[in-house]
Amino acid sequence: RKEVEQDPGPFNVPEGATVAFNCTYSNSASQSFFWYRQDCRKEPKLLMSVYSSGNEDGRFTAQLNRASQYISLLIRDSKLSDSATYLCVVNPTGRRALTFGSGTRLQVQP
Amino acid sequence: DAGVIQSPRHEVTEMGQEVTLRCKPISGHDYLFWYRQTMMRGLELLIYFNNNVPIDDSGMPEDRFSAKMPNASFSTLKIQPSEPRDSAVYFCASSFRRGGVVKGDTQYFGPGTRLTVL
Repeated sequence: RKEVEQDPGPFNVPEGATVAFNCTYSNSASQSFFWYRQDCRKEPKLLMSVYSSGNEDGRFTAQLNRASQYISLLIRDSKLSDSATYLCVVNPTGRRALTFGSGTRLQVQP
Repeated sequence: DAGVIQSPRHEVTEMGQEVTLRCKPISGHDYLFWYRQTMMRGLELLIYFNNNVPIDDSGMPEDRFSAKMPNASFSTLKIQPSEPRDSAVYFCASSFRRGGVVKGDTQYFGPGTRLTVL
């Protein structure tokens, strides 16, 4: 079983739609969680951290469910510029390095 | 700040040749990471350094791969000899710890080196 699992997609949605991605992680002791965004042929960039209480940044909402070991990302009012691959990222306890999921590809269509 | 700098951006070489990838982390960052990304395996950690010291190299595929960090502003990843299955995008990333609070979780990636081994 992979440490971090995501649905690869692609998710094809029209502009203005709301879309949600989930990811599951296997290490129950993991402490830190993130969503990174990666555009085609570019480097990953931090989109947002995920806190236990849930957090929101504009159109983006991230939530963590420790009991079920999953993380979610909700994007409201999708824009064409949101088209990218979204990487679920976990920081296992005791390690400085991050473990990346394989990514979920989003394509927002006009 | 210029961000993480990697060179070369693209490298095409023949099987058996030595390949050296270079990285300059963001000034002041004390952690440096090397990742490899392929379609099949996604983004994998190869090795990371803290204050120029290798901490975890368990992701290095085999002895053909080696990494060094001679000072805080430079690191290399070397593949010798290279094989076609080494073809991938290699990313370098850096992060930092601020005071007593761990802020090293946000990693800043370089643009990557796209390696093709023929």
